[in-house]
Amino acid sequence: AQKITQTQPGMFVQEKEAVTLDCTYDTSDPSYGLFWYKQPSSGEMIFLIYQGSYDQQNATEGRYSLNFQKARKSANLVISASQLGDSAMYFCAMKGTGFQKLVFGTGTRLLVSP
Amino acid sequence: SQTIHQWPATLVQPVGSPLSLECTVEGTSNPNLYWYRQAAGRGLQLLFYSVGIGQISSEVPQNLSASRPQDRQFILSSKKLLLSDSGFYLCAWNRDREHSPLHFGNGTRLTVT
Repeated sequence: AQKITQTQPGMFVQEKEAVTLDCTYDTSDPSYGLFWYKQPSSGEMIFLIYQGSYDQQNATEGRYSLNFQKARKSANLVISASQLGDSAMYFCAMKGTGFQKLVFGTGTRLLVSP
Repeated sequence: SQTIHQWPATLVQPVGSPLSLECTVEGTSNPNLYWYRQAAGRGLQLLFYSVGIGQISSEVPQNLSASRPQDRQFILSSKKLLLSDSGFYLCAWNRDREHSPLHFGNGTRLTVT
């Protein structure tokens, strides 16, 4: 079974600074995918970034990058140059081999201040 | 491009009344479809998923049911709502491909009174 742990219930960052949101995972599958989602106060879940377990390089999507450390089983999200619109809940999720459900962490609430 | 539509956006229903939430996907064929529920301030719980028409898998036995009458249509139902059914319901889809990310609808906020 897969498990995702997000230990930071809340994070604060000033506008234009970088912030790292932590995510650790546990799985026995040799192949898996790691995902990050953003949930603004309006409620929709927005897919941000994906990292495959066999990918050699860390994934990047614009201001989002994923610091993937396979040996430590961590997949931290780094947001560079934070903007006020980045204030939201952020969920880390993973999916194992074959058709398996996407397992979510409990989320981290990020607040970006001016 | 693919889009997912979910309605209604908000719903207030009395205890014991029926429920029907609908979700449709455009721009793709044979998607995997999902219903998630999110209790206030908490993570997402998978309720149902479907890999094809008429194929429904239930993750959590409860007061709800799901149906997939057409390839890109997914319906969440209940015959009699309970107070505990209140929450935020999200429909999602992905391609039938390993590690394909889920794409979510805008959600339905259900309040059972």
